[in-house]
Amino acid sequence: AQSVTQLDSQVPVFEEAPVELRCNYSSSVSVYLFWYVQYPNQGLQLLLKYLSGSTLVKGINGFEAEFNKSQTSFHLRKPSVHISDTAEYFCAVSPGAGSYQLTFGKGTKLSVIP
Amino acid sequence: NAGVMQNPRHLVRRRGQEARLRCSPMKGHSHVYWYRQLPEEGLKFMVYLQKENIIDESGMPKERFSAEFPKEGPSILRIQQVVRGDSAAYFCASSLPGGHEQYFGPGTRLTVT
Repeated sequence: AQSVTQLDSQVPVFEEAPVELRCNYSSSVSVYLFWYVQYPNQGLQLLLKYLSGSTLVKGINGFEAEFNKSQTSFHLRKPSVHISDTAEYFCAVSPGAGSYQLTFGKGTKLSVIP
Repeated sequence: NAGVMQNPRHLVRRRGQEARLRCSPMKGHSHVYWYRQLPEEGLKFMVYLQKENIIDESGMPKERFSAEFPKEGPSILRIQQVVRGDSAAYFCASSLPGGHEQYFGPGTRLTVT
C-alpha cells in the first residue's frame, strides 16, 4: 500500500521569505505526484503535478516542486510567499496506470506572518 | 466553465437519519471520486465511479454507505443511519476518461447531532 508523509504539520513563515513544504512517499512502483491547496472551508485546488518528464515541475501561484526518485520525495517550494498563500497544502500520490485512487498526506498548514 | 458542484454545502442530520450528498462533475468528465476528510486528517479515498459503474469501492465502509452515478443526473453518496463518527467533510472529484488530474468540488460538511 502507498503512503504519503508530510513531515511538518504547521509551517509559519514571514511574508516574502522562501518556504519549502516537505513530502515523502512510499511506493515500489512508478507514481504520479500532486500538490493541492485548500483554503478555509473550500475544496482542494490543484497546484501542480508530476506525471513524467522533467523532475522540476512548475505550478500556479509561483509554486514549484522537484521529484526525487532516489529519495522518494516531492517537496514544494516558493521563493517568496504572500499573505494570500496562507492555507493548508496536501501532497498526494496515485499509482498511475490502472488506478486513479489518490492517497493523501495529512497536510501542512502554512501560515504567512506579515 | 462550471467546476465540480456539490450540494448541499452543509448538512445536519440526527443520529439514525439518512444523508444524501450530491455531486455534479465538470462538463465532459465521466469519472467521479468520493473522498472523506476527518478533522486533522488528510483526505481518504472512498469510491471511484464511472457512469452506471462502480470501479473501485475499496475505501467504502462495508455497511451503511453506498454510492451511485446514474446515466443521467449527479453522483449520489448515501449514508444510512448516520452516527456521530460520520461527521466529516465529503469531497467529490471528477476527471476526464484516462485523465490523471482530479478536480475537486467545494465539499459537503456533514454534522451528525
